[in-house]
Amino acid sequence: GQQVMQIPQYQHVQEGEDFTTYCNSSTTLSNIQWYKQRPGGHPVFLIQLVKSGEVKKQKRLTFQFGEAKKNSSLHITATQTTDVGTYFCAGNRNQAGTALIFGKGTTLSVSS
Amino acid sequence: DTAVSQTPKYLVTQMGNDKSIKCEQNLGHDTMYWYKQDSKKFLKIMFSYNNKELIINETVPNRFSPKSPDKAHLNLHINSLELGDSAVYFCASSARQGTGLETQYFGPGTRLLVL
Repeated sequence: GQQVMQIPQYQHVQEGEDFTTYCNSSTTLSNIQWYKQRPGGHPVFLIQLVKSGEVKKQKRLTFQFGEAKKNSSLHITATQTTDVGTYFCAGNRNQAGTALIFGKGTTLSVSS
Repeated sequence: DTAVSQTPKYLVTQMGNDKSIKCEQNLGHDTMYWYKQDSKKFLKIMFSYNNKELIINETVPNRFSPKSPDKAHLNLHINSLELGDSAVYFCASSARQGTGLETQYFGPGTRLLVL
């Protein structure tokens, strides 16, 4: 079945360092979504990418969707302690009866 | 007001018991989901309902039975609870299913611990 792989599983950084998580799908996706889950919380939608090669920014966060629509990345510039949490990518094949396939997430910890 | 709510927030029970988790959304969405998140934070879809109709049923033991009395509610009943059922169960909803563009809104989760 379709898989969405996400690496790394864990990442620890010093505050101010950059952070990147990568997402790869075994099949072409119609779109990819990113979610953030704070410790003890629930996943919260961050952004959706639809177009091949698309790049979107939210303040210090930069999201990219690969040209082949099989991979994506989330880059955080100058991490802050508020960035702590688990970041999930979720891919969709746009077929009726199929659901979002979530990656296993990257858990980010930040020390000050 | 909370968009997607779940009750209870915590559930501690003995192996072999039967329990239910309730979910309600006030977003007017057509589609609701149940996800299971294990201790390693892996989010796996269990079920999806669209307008009260079951659309997705991933390989979940038939001890788990979802019920959608209306499109704003999706409950999950679990029979004969096992230790491996311990996890966080998230309810979610989205506006439409099958267009590939739906954002999912998650509830706060139900933390189930089976002893």
